[in-house]
Amino acid sequence: ETGVTQSPTHLIKTRGQQVTLRCSSQSGHNTVSWYQQALGQGPQFIFQYYREEENGRGNFPPRFSGLQFPNYSSELNVNALELDDSALYLCASSPGLAGAADTQYFGPGTRLTVL
Amino acid sequence: KQEVTQIPAALSVPEGENLVLNCSFTDSAIYNLQWFRQDPGKGLTSLLLIQSSQREQTSGRLNASLDKSSGRSTLYIAASQPGDSATYLCAVPNSGNTPLVFGKGTRLSVIA
Repeated sequence: ETGVTQSPTHLIKTRGQQVTLRCSSQSGHNTVSWYQQALGQGPQFIFQYYREEENGRGNFPPRFSGLQFPNYSSELNVNALELDDSALYLCASSPGLAGAADTQYFGPGTRLTVL
Repeated sequence: KQEVTQIPAALSVPEGENLVLNCSFTDSAIYNLQWFRQDPGKGLTSLLLIQSSQREQTSGRLNASLDKSSGRSTLYIAASQPGDSATYLCAVPNSGNTPLVFGKGTRLSVIA
């Protein structure tokens, strides 16, 4: 149990729709990162927020956007959904800036299916 | 650009066997390396984190080693059990204070 929760667990959308995924980090964790994991692949970094500011972005288009709130919750928004957006979306939190020394704690993920 | 490769992609062993999973990375200037376990359709559970100054880390039946100069890490699982069946992923920060670059994982099946 990592203390990181995500909602919803599963979601089905159609092409062109918009979706919002939510994550609740551990209290005191200032960094949240979002990853996309396609079937049979490792997770791919989407972006990271540190103290409510975007602090790094992977190779994803602008229709992927996010927000981080003062209460350690965050959102991933995806506009104009495409079939290839079907994946498991994972959020991960850490106390400081992710990567250098901190373990990242992952949530259980949201399975998004785009039809 | 950091790239992480895991070999083998899949492995099936009888219960009780000792086994080794391999991970290699292209940029040896890493701060740490982390091994995760992922059950089907689930999130990631951190198993071991090795700092760049360390050679190995142990947790129960798991032992992870790190050779930065050669860009390699191994995860050793002793006396495997059916409950060890899962996908094992290794990951390193891309550089400095950045999130993780993952391998594609090794899917392990331990047969009773």
